[in-house]
Amino acid sequence: GENVEQHPSTLSVQEGDSAVIKCTYSDSASNYFPWYKQELGKGPQLIIDIRSNVGEKKDQRIAVTLNKTAKHFSLHITETQPEDSAVYFCAGGGSYIPTFGRGTSLIVHP
Amino acid sequence: DAGVTQSPTHLIKTRGQQVTLRCSPKSGHDTVSWYQQALGQGPQFIFQYYEEEERQRGNFPDRFSGHQFPNYSSELNVNALLLGDSALYLCASSLEGFLNTEAFFGQGTRLTVV
Repeated sequence: GENVEQHPSTLSVQEGDSAVIKCTYSDSASNYFPWYKQELGKGPQLIIDIRSNVGEKKDQRIAVTLNKTAKHFSLHITETQPEDSAVYFCAGGGSYIPTFGRGTSLIVHP
Repeated sequence: DAGVTQSPTHLIKTRGQQVTLRCSPKSGHDTVSWYQQALGQGPQFIFQYYEEEERQRGNFPDRFSGHQFPNYSSELNVNALLLGDSALYLCASSLEGFLNTEAFFGQGTRLTVV
């Protein structure tokens, strides 16, 4: 089955800095890679996703890049704000069974 | 649009008991997936229901079972509860399978087994 590795487990930045979270996957058949933000006491919220026929996707301060050859994809957040503080999860899979990374706790210091 | 709703939000059960968790999908969605999220971990896939049938199953024992109703709502049942079943149980709804379309999660049910 699919194996998704996510790094780092914790990321601490100053407000206004950029943050990058990286994930690797093992199944070359994987074709959809969503990113979720989970705030304390809430369910994960989809923030951006990318499909395997696209190399990059951007939505305001958030962007995702995908390298199919290397089997890795990354989340980029620019101009971070304190409200960006949360746990971020990547996910991927080539079947109906999605696999999530273990999460990155992003802390943005004012 | 109410989004994905789950009930109850919190639950405390005793070892050996049985529990039923409920999920109403986002309007227009026909597929429901259930996940178990232990503290500090990513969600682990339990199973997915589509057209009232279990379509895929993750690596969970038969103590975990489910059901989908004609209105697409779903239940997750866990029998013979163990302490290790304590977790946040998440329901996600989508259209025709998770990996082809966006999946929306509910707020989860926090299950504590004592």
